[in-house]
Amino acid sequence: DTEVTQTPKHLVMGMTNKKSLKCEQHMGHRAMYWYKQKAKKPPELMFVYSYEKLSINESVPSRFSPECPNSSLLNLHLHALQPEDSALYLCASSQDSQRHYGYTFGSGTRLTVV
Amino acid sequence: GESVGLHLPTLSVQEGDNSIINCAYSNSASDYFIWYKQESGKGPQFIIDIRSNMDKRQGQRVTVLLNKTVKHLSLQIAATQPGDSAVYFCAETQTDSWGKLQFGAGTQVVVTP
Repeated sequence: DTEVTQTPKHLVMGMTNKKSLKCEQHMGHRAMYWYKQKAKKPPELMFVYSYEKLSINESVPSRFSPECPNSSLLNLHLHALQPEDSALYLCASSQDSQRHYGYTFGSGTRLTVV
Repeated sequence: GESVGLHLPTLSVQEGDNSIINCAYSNSASDYFIWYKQESGKGPQFIIDIRSNMDKRQGQRVTVLLNKTVKHLSLQIAATQPGDSAVYFCAETQTDSWGKLQFGAGTQVVVTP
């Protein structure tokens, strides 16, 4: 299995909702990442997990809350989002955060906040 | 080139020709570089990578060239096909950066028949 799987593919949520994005990989990678991508722009890093521990938070607002339950799973919990948070949210994984081999992205969750 | 507003630099290529996509990177400490292809509605797809101790690496129909002196990276695609139409991003990182990828602005490749 050489894939990063993200669910759901599309999500529409209101500003008072709570939802979660899920990411799964079975490549034995020990680093997992969340990126945010706006239209016509490159992806921007949000969080890095290394060996299930949060290593980097790129000053992301607290309405985004990451969680890494085990080495294969990564979640992004969403609460009280704003319309400007609408974007493509990408999960990625790599061998580990020092050896970047196999840096693979999922297909993303297209999030719309209404 | 750099993107302005919502407009990505665009490379228009005739089917069967070779494509060259260029990227200037910013961090002289970067030691690992990746090219990604992103089709509409999909996540970035890994194409090829290169470490800073190399200046050229070849894959299937693709070649990446690295010039550390001028901090320049290029992706060459041989015999471009309609399926190569996509946005192409270069990305750089370094060993002690916790895996943070810094992406270039992207280039839209349009393959014409």
